[in-house]
Amino acid sequence: ETGVTQTPRHLVMGMTNKKSLKCEQHLGHNAMYWYKQSAKKPLELMFVYSLEERVENNSVPSRFSPECPNSSHLFLHLHTLQPEDSALYLCASSQDYGTGTYNEQFFGPGTRLTVL
Amino acid sequence: GENVEQHPSTLSVQEGDSAVIKCTYSDSASNYFPWYKQELGKRPQLIIDIRSNVGEKKDQRIAVTLNKTAKHFSLHITETQPEDSAVYFCAASFMEYGNKLVFGAGTILRVKS
Repeated sequence: ETGVTQTPRHLVMGMTNKKSLKCEQHLGHNAMYWYKQSAKKPLELMFVYSLEERVENNSVPSRFSPECPNSSHLFLHLHTLQPEDSALYLCASSQDYGTGTYNEQFFGPGTRLTVL
Repeated sequence: GENVEQHPSTLSVQEGDSAVIKCTYSDSASNYFPWYKQELGKRPQLIIDIRSNVGEKKDQRIAVTLNKTAKHFSLHITETQPEDSAVYFCAASFMEYGNKLVFGAGTILRVKS
């Protein structure tokens, strides 16, 4: 499959569950991102990884834990979430990060998360 | 901190009419301004972008204009078609922060046929 893929596409979990979101990019990019998209709110950047190192952490609660084992894969581990964490979680990738030249971000289809 | 405001939040136009969406940004250092289109149930996709050294850019029926002095930029869609119906997001980025994008809240565009 080409581009950026995310699994699962839909996830329903209780507040005490532990689950993980997975993102994979097939574009040979060096930077990957997690965004949260809530209704009627701007896309919120959560984390940025460049060459497998975390370079941005936008005051995200510790119940969200990212992991980037290699430049093609990005995970978001979820633990003891709250109902207000229900949202669409989007992964994106770009060629590079912080090189002084802007690179287009390519988004995945997202995971629709519902926390009961 | 960086902030991007987008207006209107919803926009309905008749097929064939033009649509204009406006965004303002707070940081004068911002130098890259992409526009994304997100159709229902689909991922955001880049449709056009502009850099701060350019005042206007066109691609067929879509165009973006940038006013650096006033710190605002706009998306113009001419001869709208039903398939233009989607949510449109503006964003601003500046190179000191790599690829970090700050997004507007989005505009729901409905093209009525």
